[in-house]
Amino acid sequence: GQNIDQPTEMTATEGAIVQINCTYQTSGFNGLFWYQQHAGEAPTFLSYNVLDGLEEKGRFSSFLSRSKGYSYLLLKELQMKDSASYLCAVRDRTRRGGSYIPTFGRGTSLIVHP
Amino acid sequence: GAVVSQHPSWVICKSGTSVKIECRSLDFQATTMFWYRQFPKQSLMLMATSNEGSKATYEQGVEKDKFLINHASLTLSTLTVTSAHPEDSSFYICSARDTEWGANEQFFGPGTRLTVL
Repeated sequence: GQNIDQPTEMTATEGAIVQINCTYQTSGFNGLFWYQQHAGEAPTFLSYNVLDGLEEKGRFSSFLSRSKGYSYLLLKELQMKDSASYLCAVRDRTRRGGSYIPTFGRGTSLIVHP
Repeated sequence: GAVVSQHPSWVICKSGTSVKIECRSLDFQATTMFWYRQFPKQSLMLMATSNEGSKATYEQGVEKDKFLINHASLTLSTLTVTSAHPEDSSFYICSARDTEWGANEQFFGPGTRLTVL
């Protein structure tokens, strides 16, 4: 199975940049997702990385290094509405029951203050 | 993007009763749906994979006789929590894959908050 580790909580200031790290261990890496989840709501898709490098999408960027088992989500020009939990999820092709099903980390609670 | 709905959004029930939660894909057909459970400040834990027209695949440790899953059509899956107990109180979320979008994305429903008294 996968071991997915990300910080429990982070705080940042409105307008700043924050980087949320995720490390994982998997025997058959097959893609990494980042989701945003506001309290009491379902997760919403942010990004998907399967090759090394940086994927940029507006204020959000996601980076992947497969050799290091490492990813980060970069949020620029932080806004108050970015306060949410950010979930890292990893897909493993050796997973029993479905190689396309990701396993989720515990999530990082980001608090943006004025 | 594709839309997934859940009903009800919240439910309170007495211990020992059964609760049914519906998950619908509104603008696409989903041959596969997933049911997750999330406790406060915890991660999403996959309970089972629901396949249209066949039996669900349950994750290790999930009681299939307690959490009944039915996926009778390409747009509807139901999760029934039978003989619910307070420890079943949780946030239940379904998701679906739209195969036309490829295998890279799941679309999540808004979740159902279950409270068992």
